[in-house]
Amino acid sequence: GENVEQHPSTLSVQEGDSAVIKCTYSDSASNYFPWYKQELGKRPQLIIDIRSNVGEKKDQRIAVTLNKTAKHFSLHITETQPEDSAVYFCAASGRGTSYGKLTFGQGTILTVHP
Amino acid sequence: NAGVTQTPKFRILKIGQSMTLQCTQDMNHNYMYWYRQDPGMGLKLIYYSVGAGITDKGEVPNGYNVSRSTTEDFPLRLELAAPSQTSVYFCASTQTQNTGELFFGEGSRLTVL
Repeated sequence: GENVEQHPSTLSVQEGDSAVIKCTYSDSASNYFPWYKQELGKRPQLIIDIRSNVGEKKDQRIAVTLNKTAKHFSLHITETQPEDSAVYFCAASGRGTSYGKLTFGQGTILTVHP
Repeated sequence: NAGVTQTPKFRILKIGQSMTLQCTQDMNHNYMYWYRQDPGMGLKLIYYSVGAGITDKGEVPNGYNVSRSTTEDFPLRLELAAPSQTSVYFCASTQTQNTGELFFGEGSRLTVL
């Protein structure tokens, strides 16, 4: 089955800096890659996603890049703010399956210091 | 719309007890999922359903059962609870197979002692 590795496990930045989180996946047939943000004690919420026919997607301060050849994708957050502090999860979903059947990475705890 | 509603929010079980986690959604979504999240880890898929009457196993189904008699409800049954089932359980739904966003419930924190 699919295996998703996520790095780093913790990331600490100063407000205004950029943050980058990287994930690799094992199944070359995977074709959907979402990123979820989970605040302490809350439910995960989708912040951005990308499909395999696209190399990059941006939404305001958040961007995701995908390299299918290398089987890795990354989350980029620019101009970080304290409210960006949370756990971020990458995930992958395989071709021919429901996009909700996700394999998640282990998570990255992002702390943004004011 | 209430979205995805899970009950109970917290529960403590003794080893060997059984219980059902309830999940209901009012968005008329066909696809529903149960994930578990162990401390400091990502979510793992337990079971999922593509519509009423249809269920299938995910990555970690052992020790659990599900049913889907209606579009709205997708209960998760734990039989003979074990300490390894201590986790936070999230129910989620999506409208179609190719709908990206998973709508999660608030989670159910289960402790087995």
